[in-house]
Amino acid sequence: KAGVTQTPRYLIKTRGQQVTLSCSPISGHRSVSWYQQTPGQGLQFLFEYFSETQRNKGNFPGRFSGRQFSNSRSEMNVSTLELGDSALYLCASSSDSTNTEAFFGQGTRLTVV
Amino acid sequence: GESVGLHLPTLSVQEGDNSIINCAYSNSASDYFIWYKQESGKGPQFIIDIRSNMDKRQGQRVTVLLNKTVKHLSLQIAATQPGDSAVYFCAESRNTGNQFYFGTGTSLTVIP
Repeated sequence: KAGVTQTPRYLIKTRGQQVTLSCSPISGHRSVSWYQQTPGQGLQFLFEYFSETQRNKGNFPGRFSGRQFSNSRSEMNVSTLELGDSALYLCASSSDSTNTEAFFGQGTRLTVV
Repeated sequence: GESVGLHLPTLSVQEGDNSIINCAYSNSASDYFIWYKQESGKGPQFIIDIRSNMDKRQGQRVTVLLNKTVKHLSLQIAATQPGDSAVYFCAESRNTGNQFYFGTGTSLTVIP
C-alpha cells in the first residue's frame, strides 16, 4: 500500500507570492490533515478535510486555505507569502474514523525569500 | 501538550540500554495518543498509539504508558539501537476528528 505522497518536496518562493502544495493520502483514507513544522513552534495543526469538507481548523490566518477533492487528494494554498511562512508543511492521512492513526508524508519544505 | 518552546529536550543512551521518553499533556479531554519518530529530513513516523481507556500498550520493542491522573505519557524503547536515534513526539487528540496537538519533542541519541 502506497504511503502519503506530498509534492513538491522543496519550494522556494518570494515574499508576496502564493503557493499550492499537494497531498495524496493512503488509498482508502478520507481524512487529510495539514501541519506546519518550524523549529520555534514545532508541529502546529492547520486544518483537516474529510469527504471534501473542512472538519477542523487551527489558528492560522486566512492566507492559509485548503481543499479536498472527490478522490481525497488535498491541496493547501498560502497566499501573500511572508518570510515567517518558511517551514516544513506536512500532510497526514487517516481513515474514516475520528481519533485514529494519522500517517504522515515526507513533507514539503517551503522557503520564502 | 500543545507545542510551545524553542528548546528540544535531549536524551542520550548507550546502545543496548532501555530508553524512556516522557510527555505531559494539559487537556483532560484528550482521549487518544500517538507517539511518532521523526528522522532528519523525513515526516513523522507512527510508532504506537493508546486510547484513554488503557494504561499500557506494547509493541515491538516499544511500550507506551498512560497516566491520566497526572496527564503523563511515556514511551519505553527496549534494547535501544543506533537506528532509534531521532526526535520523538507525543501527539494527543480530543475526539474532534483527526486534529492532533503535538508536544515539543525529545531528541534521542544512541551512543554505539
